[in-house]
Amino acid sequence: NAGVTQTPKFRILKIGQSMTLQCTQDMNHNYMYWYRQDPGMGLKLIYYSVGAGITDKGEVPNGYNVSRSTTEDFPLRLELAAPSQTSVYFCASSYAGAGRRYGYTFGSGTRLTVV
Amino acid sequence: DQQVKQNSPSLSVQEGRISILNCDYTNSMFDYFLWYKKYPAEGPTFLISISSIKDKNEDGRFTVFLNKSAKHLSLHIVPSQPGDSAVYFCAASENRDDKIIFGKGTRLHILP
Repeated sequence: NAGVTQTPKFRILKIGQSMTLQCTQDMNHNYMYWYRQDPGMGLKLIYYSVGAGITDKGEVPNGYNVSRSTTEDFPLRLELAAPSQTSVYFCASSYAGAGRRYGYTFGSGTRLTVV
Repeated sequence: DQQVKQNSPSLSVQEGRISILNCDYTNSMFDYFLWYKKYPAEGPTFLISISSIKDKNEDGRFTVFLNKSAKHLSLHIVPSQPGDSAVYFCAASENRDDKIIFGKGTRLHILP
């Protein structure tokens, strides 16, 4: 009964490095999302996907890329990391049309620091 | 331009009393509103939602009230328990998609 699994839990990157944040869900949810949470702020949507092969930008997509080759996986790629990308990243999933009624299922987050 | 606003960064309530968390929104196209609870080092967990066609929804100790004319909603927790100490996020969604927009959160402290 894993739900949404994010790896790694913590990571320190140097400016200019790249990395991929992994997210996988085992609930057969169609929709998946990536949010970031900065200190004292709410969650802001980076990218989302309504199914395998379909992705779209959210509110703050700059500096990130995503792919959705399977229903289960939705990795988030950071290219050329910048200090402004220091944040906690949350992946979430839901059935189509159900997220806004019954909420998303969130992972436990990845805390990323760029130095 | 914040569409979902939680103007109180923190709130302290005595154990056993009522906790009231408030939220305002600006987008009249929102048709679902949600509350999430978040503990440190964990992801947010869904608490309760309300459709814009209702003005109240209850689930155990949690009740959400919606005042559409004032573009205001509130979450009532009665009675408050120590495990309720957490950050609470108000969130909303438009009827055209499943994307959820979050407020900044209110940290609730339940005092013994």
